[in-house]
This record gives sequence, structure tokens and C-alpha cells, in this order.
Amino acid sequence: AQSVTQLDSHVSVSEGTPVLLRCNYSSSYSPSLFWYVQHPNKGLQLLLKYTSAATLVKGINGFEAEFKKSETSFHLTKPSAHMSDAAEYFCVVSDPRIRNYGQNFVFGPGTRLSVLP
Amino acid sequence: AAGVIQSPRHLIKEKRETATLKCYPIPRHDTVYWYQQGPGQDPQFLISFYEKMQSDKGSIPDRFSAQQFSDYHSELNMSSLELGDSALYFCASSRSWTSGLYEQYFGPGTRLTVT
Repeated sequence: AQSVTQLDSHVSVSEGTPVLLRCNYSSSYSPSLFWYVQHPNKGLQLLLKYTSAATLVKGINGFEAEFKKSETSFHLTKPSAHMSDAAEYFCVVSDPRIRNYGQNFVFGPGTRLSVLP
Repeated sequence: AAGVIQSPRHLIKEKRETATLKCYPIPRHDTVYWYQQGPGQDPQFLISFYEKMQSDKGSIPDRFSAQQFSDYHSELNMSSLELGDSALYFCASSRSWTSGLYEQYFGPGTRLTVT
């Protein structure tokens, strides 16, 4: 069974300062990992994905994440926060051996990012 | 690029009524997923279809049913609506793993309000 922990339910940063959103996972196999962002009353947008290629993954809008197997982590970072980054962020773990099964796509509880002017 | 389309975007129904939500996946995507997201919650998986066959079932109530049609669009049918069914309903689509792409692409959601 897989699971995802997002250690912070709410993170608040000032505009122009770095962002760190933490994600730890549990999986019995080398997982695929994803970060999604959800702006208020909007759908979920894929930010980036890790699928056993490079451990440092670059995504859209200046975000990146590093897969660390020894720490079972996939933290999301951005060097400089922008007001438009304020949103809910979800970390997702998936077992790439299992195809097409919805329950294989396990969401974390989400982290709400606030960006202060 | 084409995205997942959902209709309607907003729906208001009364208790005990029925509702039908529609989802049009990204072209050439063969798998559709339905999720329910309550206020302040992460999306909860309801049901998925691969090549028009149900591939997995999550926490979908017996009052709900879904299907995927020959053109790959999907419909979620909800009957005997309850106040607790008020939520944002997302559809997502993906291509099967054999094509090397596995991530899910989400639609904008349908906000269902049951009064």
C-alpha cells in the first residue's frame, strides 16, 4: 500500500522568498511521484513529475522537486515566491507497475501556500 | 493543447433529485477517472474506466453509477442526491502506461450543490 504525508497543512511566505513544501511517501516499489497545484475553485494542474529518470525534476512556473530515496521524500521548492503561487499543492504517489487503476493514484492531504506582499 | 472538458461547470439540485455529469477526455487518452472533492479535502477517487471498461472502484456510493462511451467520454450519474453530495467533482484522463505517459490531467470540475 502507498501513502503520502504532507507535513505542513499551511505554509506562509513573503513574496520573493523561497518556498519549501514537504512531501514524504511510503511505497513498496520505486514510485512515480507528482505535484499538482489547485488555485481556488479551479481544477488541478500538473506541476511536475518524477518517473525514475533524473532525481531533480524541473516543472512549470519555476518549481522543482528532488527525489530522495533514502529519505523517501519529494519536496517541492521554488527560489522566489510570487503572489500568483498562492494555492493548494498536492503531492501524489503512484506505483508505475499498476496500470489504469484509480486507487493507485494516492493524494496527500494538501498544503495551502499563502504568499504575503 | 486540448484539455479535459467537463459539463456542466455548476449544478444546483434538490435532495432526492438526480444529476448527470459529463467528461470529455483529452484526445487519445484511454483512461478516465472520477474524483469527489469536499471543502478543504483532497480529491477522493470514485471510479475509473480503461477502454470503456470499469478498471477500478473507490469510494463511490451505490447511488452513483458511471460509464465510458465508445467515443471515450464518460458520464457520472448520481441519484437520490443528499446534502452531503455537495462537492466539486473532477474528471481526469490519462494514456495507458504502455505509451510511457501516466500522469493524470484534470478537468476544471463540476461544482454540485444539493439544497
